[in-house]
Amino acid sequence: AQSVTQLDSQVPVFEEAPVELRCNYSSSVSVYLFWYVQYPNQGLQLLLKYLSGSTLVKGINGFEAEFNKSQTSFHLRKPSVHISDTAEYFCAVSGPSHNAGGTSYGKLTFGQGTILTVHP
Amino acid sequence: DAGITQSPRHKVTETGTPVTLRCHQTENHRYMYWYRQDPGHGLRLIHYSYGVKDTDKGEVSDGYSVSRSKTEDFLLTLESATSSQTSVYFCAIRPGTGGADTQYFGPGTRLTVL
Repeated sequence: AQSVTQLDSQVPVFEEAPVELRCNYSSSVSVYLFWYVQYPNQGLQLLLKYLSGSTLVKGINGFEAEFNKSQTSFHLRKPSVHISDTAEYFCAVSGPSHNAGGTSYGKLTFGQGTILTVHP
Repeated sequence: DAGITQSPRHKVTETGTPVTLRCHQTENHRYMYWYRQDPGHGLRLIHYSYGVKDTDKGEVSDGYSVSRSKTEDFLLTLESATSSQTSVYFCAIRPGTGGADTQYFGPGTRLTVL
């Protein structure tokens, strides 16, 4: 079984300030890690994902995330936020479950979400 | 645009009535998913499908059933809606067959059960 914990339900920041949204995961096997963003009244959009290799992953809109295996964390960062970054952010892990043919079912387990509010 | 539509986009219904939500994709991808989104819970998987007539349960499947008779359509049915099923429902598709492949989400259906 796997789980995801987003440590902050709400993060208020001022425009042009740096921000970090924290995500910890739990899994007994290797997983793939994702960050999605949801703007008001919209569906989810992928920001970035970690598959393997370099632990620093760069995504869209200037976001990046660092995978830390020893701390089982995948924190999302942006050095300078804009008003338009106001949204809800979700961390997710993709399970390793496969069918008999070895194809992954790709089921996602999501964290509870972090609402980022950027103030002028 | 991942070519995913959901219908209806909004629905208000009464307790005990059946409700069917539709997810339609234009790309004929094999994998499709239904999630519900509730404050404080993020998104939780209800059911998923890995092909026509091939479906399985997710973590919150009680009270829901699904059907997939065509590649492009994945239907979610609440046989007898309850107030606890008031939620926003998202459909997702996944191109590819690897665990690292991105899921693409539809615009959502807001369901209110009175």
